[in-house]
Amino acid sequence: QVQLVESGGGVVQPGRSLRLSCVPSGFTFSNYAMHWVRQAPGKGPEWVAVISHDGSKTYYANSVQGRFTISRDNSKNMVFLQMNSLRGDDTAVYYCARDMTTNGEAVQLLDYWGQGTLVTVSS
Amino acid sequence: EIVLTQSPATLSLSPGERATLSCRASQSVSDYLAWYQQKPGQAPRLLIYDASIRATGVPARFSGSGSGTDFTLTISSLDPEDFAVYFCQQRRNWPPLTFGGGTKVEIK
Repeated sequence: QVQLVESGGGVVQPGRSLRLSCVPSGFTFSNYAMHWVRQAPGKGPEWVAVISHDGSKTYYANSVQGRFTISRDNSKNMVFLQMNSLRGDDTAVYYCARDMTTNGEAVQLLDYWGQGTLVTVSS
Repeated sequence: EIVLTQSPATLSLSPGERATLSCRASQSVSDYLAWYQQKPGQAPRLLIYDASIRATGVPARFSGSGSGTDFTLTISSLDPEDFAVYFCQQRRNWPPLTFGGGTKVEIK
């Protein structure tokens, strides 16, 4: 069955960096676009970034543009989120989610999610 | 950026009752509207997409309707496992994908 397992979260000081990883299984990873979505405590989800199935296209939320980078390694079945210049409002649970990609095209629907990894930005 | 507003914030109902949840978009999203269910400590689960299409494995008691700016998620008869938070999400105009603030369906 489809599984997504995130790792790399933790407590980090403002201005520092963190790299999240997501390991998918149960499907042909290279056929699917992948998203990162975050959720602050008691809030609705906030979309962060998406990467196309082959890694050629990436898109970001304005709030993270220029600070976060999404990437993937299809040979290792992994997707990453490099987070730089972290701020207090980046504190959230970060989810890796699979796009319901159809015929190689991302459709911006998130059909499987991991359990999330908590990032706390605090001095 | 398209803003999605969900109402009510909380819905207090008993098992077996009908639940009607609303999602309103700040501009038309056509029928590119999805609904997700989230239980405490769990990730969201895709329920409905393109306003009315149930995702794989979603029970028939869940139905979605609407187009343009006004959408409804209906749970015809609440099962105890349905008490959760529900979010809507649009994919008409992106980036960014946007989500609503959620409606909590709680046991009365």
